[in-house]
Amino acid sequence: DAGVIQSPRHEVTEMGQEVTLRCKPISGHNSLFWYRQTMMRGLELLIYFNNNVPIDDSGMPEDRFSAKMPNASFSTLKIQPSEPRDSAVYFCASSLAGGPWNEQFFGPGTRLTVL
Amino acid sequence: GENVEQHPSTLSVQEGDSAVIKCTYSDSASNYFPWYKQELGKRPQLIIDIRSNVGEKKDQRIAVTLNKTAKHFSLHITETQPEDSAVYFCASGAAGNKLTFGGGTRVLVKP
Repeated sequence: DAGVIQSPRHEVTEMGQEVTLRCKPISGHNSLFWYRQTMMRGLELLIYFNNNVPIDDSGMPEDRFSAKMPNASFSTLKIQPSEPRDSAVYFCASSLAGGPWNEQFFGPGTRLTVL
Repeated sequence: GENVEQHPSTLSVQEGDSAVIKCTYSDSASNYFPWYKQELGKRPQLIIDIRSNVGEKKDQRIAVTLNKTAKHFSLHITETQPEDSAVYFCASGAAGNKLTFGGGTRVLVKP
């Protein structure tokens, strides 16, 4: 299994541009999580999906952020317009929901720099 | 919502000594408490977890303890080695598979 796949691994953009981050969860997993990691705020949950349905988006910082999961094998996190304070590492994680708690597997992350 | 506090934020230990990281949580409904290790530039990876029906769990040099009454749990690393140097995160989970992470502890093991 290739694990959780994220693209791009690095993104440098200018303020005001649209940014789209992509995630492919582990095959068979039905929960998907988007996290943001910064030195100041640590690891924050932005949004998560169960069976492609958004369950909790209370961590999404502003309307500039949106996330979709059109099918079980793909999700996107979009920032439009981007701002310098959005610079962070964005992780996607997946797990098998239902029943007892299951491990969340993290992807390698996307390091976003907004100039 | 859930709030997880983690202490200390940095921890420096001599190789071979023990390291202890402590976390407290606020939601009494939380019933799952994983610990993640994140090496520099890498992704967080689960190293051990404990569920609310268990008070202690051990896996080789690492152990976790849970006190549900006091709402705190701890990670213990014995016989520390240089490869234990990393940032460690505690987390708590309640319904729905959502995890709330602590602020992290940067552990440095000095040879």
